[in-house]
Amino acid sequence: DAGVTQSPTHLIKTRGQQVTLRCSPKSGHDTVSWYQQALGQGPQFIFQYYEEEERQRGNFPDRFSGHQYPNYSSELNVNALLLGDSALYLCASSSGTSGPYQETQYFGPGTRLLVL
Amino acid sequence: AQSVTQPDIHITVSEGASLELRCNYSYGATPYLFWYVQSPGQGLQLLLKYFSGDTLVQGIKGFEAEFKRSQSSFNLRKPSVHWSDAAEYFCAVGARFGNEKLTFGTGTRLTIIP
Repeated sequence: DAGVTQSPTHLIKTRGQQVTLRCSPKSGHDTVSWYQQALGQGPQFIFQYYEEEERQRGNFPDRFSGHQYPNYSSELNVNALLLGDSALYLCASSSGTSGPYQETQYFGPGTRLLVL
Repeated sequence: AQSVTQPDIHITVSEGASLELRCNYSYGATPYLFWYVQSPGQGLQLLLKYFSGDTLVQGIKGFEAEFKRSQSSFNLRKPSVHWSDAAEYFCAVGARFGNEKLTFGTGTRLTIIP
């Protein structure tokens, strides 16, 4: 049973560029959440996708956008990169049906983005 | 708004000693609480979770945590640590349900000495 996978593992960009990160959820999961983890910090929630729609969003600017495909995989896009966007970007998958005992988010290994 | 506080940034314990990592949360309703562990350069692995019921929950790798509503705490414990337990530990609270937005603490880095 494949867990959550993310690509690429590492990425280097320069300020002002755009980047796309990819995530495939764990088998059987239909919901994908994205988190940003700056060095020495806990992960911060960016947004969550369910049924190809953004269901929840954290306090991130519109430069951060996403997409979910019919096969439940997801992309995180960041435009006009800033130095402060350098971080580990984590994808988490879960079941989209809300309710007690409905899951737990399972995290991928992350994509480490460095903006120069 | 929900929040999580992990008061200890760094803890050092001897191999074989007991461990307790502290977590305090702020949330208006019944919280969904989690402990995750992160090894260097890795993603997050779920150790245990609390949704309701028995306030003492057992997790993987010999970890347990106790939910205390009166103290708004969800401390993680292990009776005897192993060198492989050295990692970063994060406490998190879920919004409404466990599969929605998670709010994390800043983490506690655990160092094990021989």
